[in-house]
Amino acid sequence: EAGVAQSPRYKIIEKRQSVAFWCNPISGHATLYWYQQILGQGPKLLIQFQNNGVVDDSQLPKDRFSAERLKGVDSTLKIQPAKLEDSAVYLCASSLRVSFNSPLHFGNGTRLTVT
Amino acid sequence: QQQVKQSPQSLIVQKGGISIINCAYENTAFDYFPWYQQFPGKGPALLIAIRPDVSEKKEGRFTISFNKSAKQFSLHIMDSQPGDSATYFCAGEHGTASKLTFGTGTRLQVTL
Repeated sequence: EAGVAQSPRYKIIEKRQSVAFWCNPISGHATLYWYQQILGQGPKLLIQFQNNGVVDDSQLPKDRFSAERLKGVDSTLKIQPAKLEDSAVYLCASSLRVSFNSPLHFGNGTRLTVT
Repeated sequence: QQQVKQSPQSLIVQKGGISIINCAYENTAFDYFPWYQQFPGKGPALLIAIRPDVSEKKEGRFTISFNKSAKQFSLHIMDSQPGDSATYFCAGEHGTASKLTFGTGTRLQVTL
């Protein structure tokens, strides 16, 4: 099966600019996640979607971050305006359903550098 | 956010040796404990997982040991190989929420 696709692979922007990341999950996977992985740390959940509805966005900095999942398939994560501390790898993951028996499948991420 | 503490931060093991990575958790609501393996430039991939009603799970060279009373669990990699060189993350999950809390990661290097 095809994996989780993410683009772009790398992005360099200046602080206060905006940026968007795109994710295409594994076909048929109802649950989609965005994680932020700062260098040297474990991934941190930003937002979780079930189909096209938000399940958990408690750790999403809503003053600058936004995310949507179009028609329950593709998703975009946007940052506006970016800060230096947003430099990280943004990982998208999907799973078949919300269950411990349904492992997360991660994409290779988008590495964001904010200068 | 409830923490999952992981140690050591980095580990160097000779080929054929045993690699041991330890984790401790705080949230007693966690009911699923996966380990993820991440190679440079790649996303994490599920390696092995355990539920707290089991004290040990083995898959090939990889074993999870779980101590519920101590709220600790560990990953043992037997006969470590250079191809095992990667960053390993433990995690805790509350099953109904399917939301992972990751440890800080252990960078493993297996030398020849």
